Amino acid sequence: AQSVTQPDIHITVSEGASLELRCNYSYGATPYLFWYVQSPGQGLQLLLKYFSGDTLVQGIKGFEAEFKRSQSSFNLRKPSVHWSDAAEYFCASGLGANNLFFGTGTRLTVIP
Amino acid sequence: GAGVSQSPRYKVAKRGQDVALRCDPISGHVSLFWYQQALGQGPEFLTYFQNEAQLDKSGLPSDRFFAERPEGSVSTLKIQRTQQEDSAVYLCASSLGPGSDLYEQYFGPGTRLTVT
Repeated sequence: AQSVTQPDIHITVSEGASLELRCNYSYGATPYLFWYVQSPGQGLQLLLKYFSGDTLVQGIKGFEAEFKRSQSSFNLRKPSVHWSDAAEYFCASGLGANNLFFGTGTRLTVIP
Repeated sequence: GAGVSQSPRYKVAKRGQDVALRCDPISGHVSLFWYQQALGQGPEFLTYFQNEAQLDKSGLPSDRFFAERPEGSVSTLKIQRTQQEDSAVYLCASSLGPGSDLYEQYFGPGTRLTVT
């Protein structure tokens, strides 16, 4: 069965520091992989997605993620965090046009 | 253009009441999904439509949950005889469809259901 694991429930970083949020997926084939961000009271916004090809994908708001097949990982990174990045981040996997499987999320706190 | 909209944004129901949650997908989007997000959890799949056809309802937690999309656009998720464990945010998402190489789901703001 497909599953997504986000091992970090809560991460705190200082503004301007670098960020890495971890995501591991479990599935035999390589699924489509996504990172979404959810701010309080807001819907999920897609940051980036990986279907195939180049394993380093660029997204919106300065985020990037790297797909590593050997580690079944798709970690999200940002070189310099802004206070407005504080939110809940969800990694998700999917197969084609079917439903997505989400991780439990990582809450990011940014301190001045 | 307009995104996915959901109504109501908040709903409080007494245990045992029926509720209906509405989703207006992006115009022209073929696929529509419903997810349930419990507090502190990630969204969990409920059901999926392709146009008016409900192709997958494997995530519906009980027969009290029912979804429809009769004309292939607006969808309604109905919960009968609500229970406290139904309290959650219900998210709707739409996408261009299975034939799109840009497969991406666009999410609405959700309906927060509280059952008292």
